Amino acid sequence: GENVEQHPSTLSVQEGDSAVIKCTYSDSASNYFPWYKQELGKGPQLIIDIRSNVGEKKDQRIAVTLNKTAKHFSLHITETQPEDSAVYFCAASRRNDYKLSFGAGTTVTVRA
Amino acid sequence: NAGVTQTPKFRVLKTGQSMTLLCAQDMNHEYMYWYRQDPGMGLRLIHYSVGEGTTAKGEVPDGYNVSRLKKQNFLLGLESAAPSQTSVYFCASSYASGSFDTQYFGPGTRLTVL
Repeated sequence: GENVEQHPSTLSVQEGDSAVIKCTYSDSASNYFPWYKQELGKGPQLIIDIRSNVGEKKDQRIAVTLNKTAKHFSLHITETQPEDSAVYFCAASRRNDYKLSFGAGTTVTVRA
Repeated sequence: NAGVTQTPKFRVLKTGQSMTLLCAQDMNHEYMYWYRQDPGMGLRLIHYSVGEGTTAKGEVPDGYNVSRLKKQNFLLGLESAAPSQTSVYFCASSYASGSFDTQYFGPGTRLTVL
């Protein structure tokens, strides 16, 4: 099955700086890569996703890049704010596969 | 529109006891999922359902059973709880398959087995 590795496990950044989280996947047939944000005491919530037919996607301060050849994808958060502090999960899935394979998560702390 | 709800929010069990976790969604989603979340291990799929009356095993199904008698509900059962089942359990639902369709998560149930 799919194996998704996520790094780093923890990340502390100064408010206003950028944060980058990287994930690698093993199954070359994977073609859907969502990112979820989990705030304390809540369930994960989708923040951005990318499909295999594009290399980059942006939504305000959040961007995701995908390198299918190297089988890795990354989440970039610019101009970080205290409300960006949370646990972030990457995931991967294949077309018509009902299952998402999640990375282990990255705890992001934004220091004021 | 409540989205995905889970009951209970917290539960403490003794080894060998049984319990059922209830997940409900009001978005008319076909697919529903049960995950467990453990420190450093992300979210692991326990069981899932692709429609009313159907269930299938996920990555870590042992010790759990599920039922989907109604489209809006997905029940997760523990017949004989073990300390290894101490975890936070999340239910999710999606309109179509996990591919290309957002999974919406509930708030979670924190289960402790003593």
